[in-house]
Amino acid sequence: AAGVIQSPRHLIKEKRETATLKCYPIPRHDTVYWYQQGPGQDPQFLISFYEKMQSDKGSIPDRFSAQQFSDYHSELNMSSLELGDSALYFCASSLGTNTGELFFGEGSRLTVL
Amino acid sequence: GQNIDQPTEMTATEGAIVQINCTYQTSGFNGLFWYQQHAGEAPTFLSYNVLDGLEEKGRFSSFLSRSKGYSYLLLKELQMKDSASYLCALKGDSSYKLIFGSGTRLLVRP
Repeated sequence: AAGVIQSPRHLIKEKRETATLKCYPIPRHDTVYWYQQGPGQDPQFLISFYEKMQSDKGSIPDRFSAQQFSDYHSELNMSSLELGDSALYFCASSLGTNTGELFFGEGSRLTVL
Repeated sequence: GQNIDQPTEMTATEGAIVQINCTYQTSGFNGLFWYQQHAGEAPTFLSYNVLDGLEEKGRFSSFLSRSKGYSYLLLKELQMKDSASYLCALKGDSSYKLIFGSGTRLLVRP
């Protein structure tokens, strides 16, 4: 069965550079979530989209922005990267918003040097 | 706001039963969820409770008491592959976001 696809899987950037992460949800899933997970930490909710509209916002820095496109894929744009942005970024999708059963992608590991 | 508490680490023996507790405070409640995460991998959904009581799913069961702000995940017939982090997660005030606890790292020994 198709899963959540994230790209790139690994990304290395310098401080102050920009990065874009992409997420392709499971077909027919209408809700996308972004999480950031630092080493040894729990996943921190960043932002979510339902039917291409932002549905909730968590601890996402102002330097980050995200959107969901007409084909339901989502992109997380990160600018003015800082060392502390180094983390695993997970995208998850679900069918509807009432469920807590999220399907996670394998994550994009961002390293900021 | 929401607050979730879990033990940091637990150790158990292969074939045994282990109970991982989770306590929470929240102003709204839309469900309590359990996820398993192996190191460096994505979390995978295990179980959820919306109503009080026990939900059983094979070797895994989850219990919820809303009045006590308490849940537990019960793992039976432990296997070595069950060594992982177990994350308690809450849909609280907003039904759009799932907030994770810091997770319990379970080590299963032979």
